[in-house]
Amino acid sequence: AQSVTQPDIHITVSEGASLELRCNYSYGATPYLFWYVQSPGQGLQLLLKYFSGDTLVQGIKGFEAEFKRSQSSFNLRKPSVHWSDAAEYFCAATSSGNTPLVFGKGTRLSVIA
Amino acid sequence: GAVVSQHPSRVICKSGTSVKIECRSLDFQATTMFWYRQFPKQSLMLMATSNEGSKATYEQGVEKDKFLINHASLTLSTLTVTSAHPEDSSFYICSARITDSAAFFGQGTRLTVV
Repeated sequence: AQSVTQPDIHITVSEGASLELRCNYSYGATPYLFWYVQSPGQGLQLLLKYFSGDTLVQGIKGFEAEFKRSQSSFNLRKPSVHWSDAAEYFCAATSSGNTPLVFGKGTRLSVIA
Repeated sequence: GAVVSQHPSRVICKSGTSVKIECRSLDFQATTMFWYRQFPKQSLMLMATSNEGSKATYEQGVEKDKFLINHASLTLSTLTVTSAHPEDSSFYICSARITDSAAFFGQGTRLTVV
């Protein structure tokens, strides 16, 4: 079955420190991959996406993610975290066409001073 | 990116009544929209796929008679929670995907049934 795994439920980092959120997928073929961010009581905002081509993708708010086929991973990174980055982060995958997204369970990011 | 608008953002209703939630794609046409439900501190669970001009496709375990979905136009899908009960209280989020591209999400609706 198609699935997305985010191994870390909660991560705490210091402001200014680097960040990496992990995401692994299980799909029959290389899926389309996404990272979304959700603030409390809000919808989801798209940070970045990978469909094909360059395996390092740049997104909004200084985030980037790297697709590694050999590891079935699509980890999200940011070199320097800001307090405003505290939120819930979801990795998601889908196939081509108009299919729904399959979400990981999410990783809650806390940022401390 | 594309904009999906969801209304209302919050609604409180009495047990036994029905509530309608609207989802609109503002700057693109969406032949397919998706409805998700999110419990506190959990991920999004797909409830149904809404298809313009045809019946919705429901995920296993989702009661189609309780969660009525109508996709009457290329920019509007509605979810009606019928005869709502406290256990239906949740955060409902709609999404529309541009074919072969990303999915965009509404702001979500917090439903509280009292």
